[in-house]
Amino acid sequence: ETGVTQTPRHLVMGMTNKKSLKCEQHLGHNAMYWYKQSAKKPLELMFVYSLEERVENNSVPSRFSPECPNSSHLFLHLHTLQPEDSALYLCASSQVRRYNSPLHFGNGTRLTVT
Amino acid sequence: ILNVEQSPQSLHVQEGDSTNFTCSFPSSNFYALHWYRWETAKSPEALFVMTLNGDEKKKGRISATLNTKEGYSYLYIKGSQPEDSATYLCAFCGGSQGNLIFGKGTKLSVKP
Repeated sequence: ETGVTQTPRHLVMGMTNKKSLKCEQHLGHNAMYWYKQSAKKPLELMFVYSLEERVENNSVPSRFSPECPNSSHLFLHLHTLQPEDSALYLCASSQVRRYNSPLHFGNGTRLTVT
Repeated sequence: ILNVEQSPQSLHVQEGDSTNFTCSFPSSNFYALHWYRWETAKSPEALFVMTLNGDEKKKGRISATLNTKEGYSYLYIKGSQPEDSATYLCAFCGGSQGNLIFGKGTKLSVKP
């Protein structure tokens, strides 16, 4: 069982909907991340939070809005998405935000935008 | 634009075969090279974090080597088993803050 839990596992939403992805880590880590994997592309970093502060926003459109209320929880709020936003969204955590700190991933949310 | 390349894209081997695949990354501003294993319907799992040129790491039948001067890492699996079937991802880190640049992965299928 993973120490990083993501819900929901699957989500289908229309372009005008608003939905949120949730991530929870039980590992006592200080850094949390959102990654996106589109078909035939590598994992792309979207956002990084370190000690609950957003430290990286990797040129992500404003229709994606992250929230980190505490060090154990991370949300990704979605609104007015486009079909090309359909992808697998992975949450990860690491003990600290540092080059030698391995990532612990959740199982991901498979998002389909219709 | 920093590029991390993995080859081959996919690999089919028989149970008991040994196999290896490659990760190429920029040879400048090197901080770390990560390897992850991603089984279908599961989450990616960290295998190794390598930081020193010439590093060799081992975990059971899986081992990895690192050459930071020429910008490559090899992952070896000895005596492949069906449970080794997964996508193997490498990720390059070019800064102390730990932002990883991932390759597209090598998908390994081991037939019984």
